[in-house]
Amino acid sequence: SQQGEEDPQALSIQEGENATMNCSYKTSINNLQWYRQNSGRGLVHLILIRSNEREKHSGRLRVTLDTSKKSSSLLITASRAADTASYFCATGNTGNQFYFGTGTSLTVIP
Amino acid sequence: NAGVMQNPRHLVRRRGQEARLRCSPMKGHSHVYWYRQLPEEGLKFMVYLQKENIIDESGMPKERFSAEFPKEGPSILRIQQVVRGDSAAYFCASSPRGPLEQYFGPGTRLTVT
Repeated sequence: SQQGEEDPQALSIQEGENATMNCSYKTSINNLQWYRQNSGRGLVHLILIRSNEREKHSGRLRVTLDTSKKSSSLLITASRAADTASYFCATGNTGNQFYFGTGTSLTVIP
Repeated sequence: NAGVMQNPRHLVRRRGQEARLRCSPMKGHSHVYWYRQLPEEGLKFMVYLQKENIIDESGMPKERFSAEFPKEGPSILRIQQVVRGDSAAYFCASSPRGPLEQYFGPGTRLTVT
């Protein structure tokens, strides 16, 4: 399956701490994206990293990609209660589809 | 610029009825994608459409499901003779150019009783 797989499935941290989520996939990709989904809502695009990139930053977000290990990580620094959500990685190849993982549920405790 | 709009937000249908889900893409976006999300799962791609054309429907079930994106009006995902297993959240996304940069709507939650 090309579907990404996030790890851990659930994560609970104190406000101010850093949160790290990992995504592993099985086939070669052109790009990988991270999305956030608040409970009962649609997905919000966070960041895209292409297969020739190793690291990208956006505000408090840092994404790394290791194509040799077929894995990516999303780091949220100085977490806030508003970061509580589910986080999904989605992998894309040369086709039209993105393959979403099952997500990591992050709870940030105020 | 309004985001991707989906309606209805919640839809309840009895087994055997038809469900019609609508998606209005963002202004200027001509690419639309439909995804299904079962409880506790990630999104699964269903179909990719451009105006009046189906580009990729490899994720669509072979029977009962159809999608269209007419020249005028929203994209429609139609499920005929719904069954309990169709209960899920259905998300639509749009993009200005191809699969990258997809903007998601709030979803339609379909419950089949």
